[in-house]
Amino acid sequence: EVQLVESGGGLVQPGGSLRLSCAVSGFTFSSYCMSWVRQAPGKGLEWVATIEQDGSEKYYVDSVKGRFTVSRDNAKNSLYLQMNSLRAEDTAVYYCARSPYQRLLGRYYYYMDVWGKGTTVTVSS
Amino acid sequence: DIQMTQSPSTLSASVGDRVTITCRASQSISSWLAWYQQKPGKAPKLLIYQASTLESGVPSRFSGSGSGTEFTLTINSLQPDDFATYYCLQYNGYSWTFGQGTKVEIK
Repeated sequence: EVQLVESGGGLVQPGGSLRLSCAVSGFTFSSYCMSWVRQAPGKGLEWVATIEQDGSEKYYVDSVKGRFTVSRDNAKNSLYLQMNSLRAEDTAVYYCARSPYQRLLGRYYYYMDVWGKGTTVTVSS
Repeated sequence: DIQMTQSPSTLSASVGDRVTITCRASQSISSWLAWYQQKPGKAPKLLIYQASTLESGVPSRFSGSGSGTEFTLTINSLQPDDFATYYCLQYNGYSWTFGQGTKVEIK
């Protein structure tokens, strides 16, 4: 069974840092791109970051560039999100998601298929 | 960046109704669009990818269509389990964008 389990959320003051983790099982982690998606309280879904299978390429939404870093450890079947300089607007449930690809004319197109249950990050003084 | 406009934001329907939700992209995304269902307090669930491909295990009453900039999700014969919020996702490139969501409520 495919499982993704996030951890590391909590309450942090503005300007602080947190490191989220996502432990996966049930599939070959190193074969998949992985993503983080967040959802602020009562709001919609927002893509945050995506990392390719070998970690060579990383993509971020503009609002977190320079503050968040996505990484992975394929030997430990784990995905991470280091969040620095946190702001109140980063308050959300953070989901990790597996991102399979479709390929057409040499380009890759990644969507999200399996999601974890999420971990809650609250940025408040 | 590609913007996704989803409509309506809320939809009231009855069991057995046919329901249609629309997503419009600010520029062509070919068929690189997915649909998700989310229930309160739960993670999103993939329903459809590449605009019209049904994810394994998803009931056939769900269907997707469209290409370019306009896409629809149709639920035929709405069931009690289908009352939820639905999101589209465009994945044309290396910046992903969700629609704002459509809440399907009981009429």
